[in-house]
Amino acid sequence: GAGVSQSPSNKVTEKGKDVELRCDPISGHTALYWYRQSLGQGLEFLIYFQGNSAPDKSGLPSDRFSAERTGGSVSTLTIQRTQQEDSAVYLCASSSWDIYEQYFGPGTRLTVT
Amino acid sequence: EDQVTQSPEALRLQEGESSSLNCSYTVSGLRGLFWYRQDPGKGPEFLFTLYSAGEEKEKERLKATLTKKESFLHITAPKPEDSATYLCAVPWGFGNEKLTFGTGTRLTIIP
Repeated sequence: GAGVSQSPSNKVTEKGKDVELRCDPISGHTALYWYRQSLGQGLEFLIYFQGNSAPDKSGLPSDRFSAERTGGSVSTLTIQRTQQEDSAVYLCASSSWDIYEQYFGPGTRLTVT
Repeated sequence: EDQVTQSPEALRLQEGESSSLNCSYTVSGLRGLFWYRQDPGKGPEFLFTLYSAGEEKEKERLKATLTKKESFLHITAPKPEDSATYLCAVPWGFGNEKLTFGTGTRLTIIP
């Protein structure tokens, strides 16, 4: 079946602009996660959605970052007023409700110039 | 938050030369450990979950083992297609839903 998909695959933006990154999880997966991977760094947890519960936003680095999940499926990660330090690969993952093995998408490479 | 340390950072092996990658962790209670493989420009690909000390899992030329303090990913007679970055992660959070990842071991298999 189809895996996790993300769009765009690459995004170049100017400092100060807003960006939106999209994630389509595996069909039937109730949990959705966003991570950030910077060069030479490990994956950093950002936010977690589980079903219709309130999201766990504990990993968001600043209030410029926000995410929503519509209809328990597609999610959008928004970064406002982008800064150069936001440059990274943003990865989305999903898992089913009864196991927590996470399956990742290909990522969106964000470059802030 | 749990800490995860992987070693070595990079490893170059000749094709057929077996070796092991290490993942050590500090946890307040063992709740599982995950291994992933990541190819350049791609997202991590799930390999194994280990839940308890003494557990072992195998997939092709890979075998993952777990003790109370660390996990090993053993690679037997590797092939060039095994070249990738191997990541380990431990779950944390109320429902063990979030993962803390190590920085990975970049494995290169030379033909």
